[in-house]
Amino acid sequence: QVQLVQSGAEVKKPGASVKVSCKASGYTFTGYYMHWVRQAPGQGLEWMGWINPNSGGTNYAQKFQGRVTMTRDTSISTAYMELSRLRSDDTAVYYCARDSPYSNYIDYWGQGTLVTVSS
Amino acid sequence: SYVLTQPPSVSVAPGQTARITCGGNNIGSKSVHWYQQKPGQAPVLVVYDDSDRPSGIPERFSGSNSGNTATLTISRVEAGDEADYYCQVWDSSSDGGVFGGGTKLTVL
Repeated sequence: QVQLVQSGAEVKKPGASVKVSCKASGYTFTGYYMHWVRQAPGQGLEWMGWINPNSGGTNYAQKFQGRVTMTRDTSISTAYMELSRLRSDDTAVYYCARDSPYSNYIDYWGQGTLVTVSS
Repeated sequence: SYVLTQPPSVSVAPGQTARITCGGNNIGSKSVHWYQQKPGQAPVLVVYDDSDRPSGIPERFSGSNSGNTATLTISRVEAGDEADYYCQVWDSSSDGGVFGGGTKLTVL
């Protein structure tokens, strides 16, 4: 069965960077785009961007351009999301999420990784 | 960028029908997807491509989309349906996803 297992919670200081991993199993990793979505405490879902695990191509939401980098390691079926120059309002749960092969919706989600930014 | 507007909250009694709207400019020309999120959990897809249901989702969940409004309808609402619901579309101009602000469904 499809599983997306993310790395554990992180606490970072303002100005630092964080890198969250997402290990995929149960399907061909390179066959499906991977999205990253975040959710601040008590707030809604916010799309951050996608990566094509086959080519490494990416597209980032304008809000995060210049601060976010999405990469992958196909040898271990793992996607990564790195966010730099962290601010307190980056405190959120970060999800990796697999794109459906048929249309642009998400069919599987990781369990989420809480990133707390605090001095 | 494309904007989706949802009501912050909807309340309904058990056994009644809940309708959650998602407004957007000419949203009827896009495919709309709906997710359910319960506290402390990742979202779950409940409707895709306006009105299709993934396997395992009860028939009580249905969707429609026309003009400037898409609607998620939950029939015979149960206590277990209490959750946040988000609509989502793909914005081809930015080649990115867009979520609505979410609607909290309360079962009275």
